[in-house]
Formats: sequence, structure tokens, C-alpha cells
Amino acid sequence: RKEVEQDPGPFNVPEGATVAFNCTYSNSASQSFFWYRQDCRKEPKLLMSVYSSGNEDGRFTAQLNRASQYISLLIRDSKLSDSATYLCVVKVAGYSTLTFGKGTMLLVSP
Amino acid sequence: DAGVIQSPRHEVTEMGQEVTLRCKPISGHNSLFWYRQTMMRGLELLIYFNNNVPIDDSGMPEDRFSAKMPNASFSTLKIQPSEPRDSAVYFCASSLTRANSRANVLTFGAGSRLTVL
Repeated sequence: RKEVEQDPGPFNVPEGATVAFNCTYSNSASQSFFWYRQDCRKEPKLLMSVYSSGNEDGRFTAQLNRASQYISLLIRDSKLSDSATYLCVVKVAGYSTLTFGKGTMLLVSP
Repeated sequence: DAGVIQSPRHEVTEMGQEVTLRCKPISGHNSLFWYRQTMMRGLELLIYFNNNVPIDDSGMPEDRFSAKMPNASFSTLKIQPSEPRDSAVYFCASSLTRANSRANVLTFGAGSRLTVL
């Protein structure tokens, strides 16, 4: 079983749509969670951290469900510039390294 | 700050040749990571340094791969001899790791795209 699993997509949505991605993790000792964004042929960049109580940053909302061991990312009012791959990232307690999912590709069309 | 600097950005080489990838982390960061990204396997951690000391190299594929960090501002990843299956994008990332910190924000370099023919 992979440590961090994501639906690879692609998710094809029109501008203005709301889209949600889920990610599951296998290690119950996972302590910290993040979403990174990676544009085509570019490096990953931190989009947002995911807090236990859920958090929002503009059009982006992240949720954590520890009982079911999944994380979600909701994007409202999609823009063309949101087209990218979204990487789910997990940090296990006691470790300094991060484990990345393979990513979910989002394509926003006019 | 110029961010994490990697070189070369692109390298095409023939099987059997030695490849050296270079990384300059962000000044003040105490942790450095080498990742490899392929379509099939995604982002895989190869090795992690803290304060210039290798902490976890369990992701290094085999003896053909080696990494060094002689000082806080420079690291290399070497592949010798290279093979076609080593073709991938190699990312270097750095972070400021604090004891007992839950967060560990990585800043990635632009990557080195390696093609081994």
C-alpha cells in the first residue's frame, strides 16, 4: 500500500467551477499535512498547510480527517491559472522528511 | 534571496558516463534534500542532510549514486556510471528544520532534467 495516494486525474473543469481533490495516507503517526502545487516542468511549491480544524486561504480550503486518514483540497471559482498538479504531502512524527503523493492534475478550461 | 540554485538545468549524456548535479541551498537553511521525480514513481526522496551530515540515505537507489555536502552552501549528487533508467528530474530542496517543529516547509530548486541515452 502506498504511503500517500491520490487520484492522478486529470480533472477537467470549466472556469468558475468548484473542484475537490482527496488524498489518503497510510501511516497513522502522520503529524503534519500540506498541499504543494507543481506547474508543468516546474518545481513544487507550497500551496498551504492543512490544520486539524480545517483552514481556508482565499478560494482554497483544506480539510483533514484523521479518523479516516484523508486530506482534501477544495478550489472554488476555478481560474485558468489554477491548472497544475496538486501534490498531497505528509510528515510523520519524529521524522524530518516529507512524503509526497504522485499528484492530481487539474486542467481548467475557458 | 535567490532561492535554491541547481545546475545544470538540463543534461543529456550517454550510458556509462558520470553525471554530477549541484545544489546551493538557501542561506541559513540547515536541511537539504535530494529528490528524484519520474512519471511512474512521482517524487522520491533520495537523501537528506542536516547540518551537512547525511541523516537518511535509504532512498539512494544503489551504489552508483552518491551525495556529498562539504559545507552549508553546497551539495552534489553524483551518478557513476549512469544508466538510461536514471533519466528523471532531480530536485534539490532546503528548509530550516527546528527541533520539535511540526512544520517543515521545503523550498525546491528548479530541478536538473537528466536524460541518459
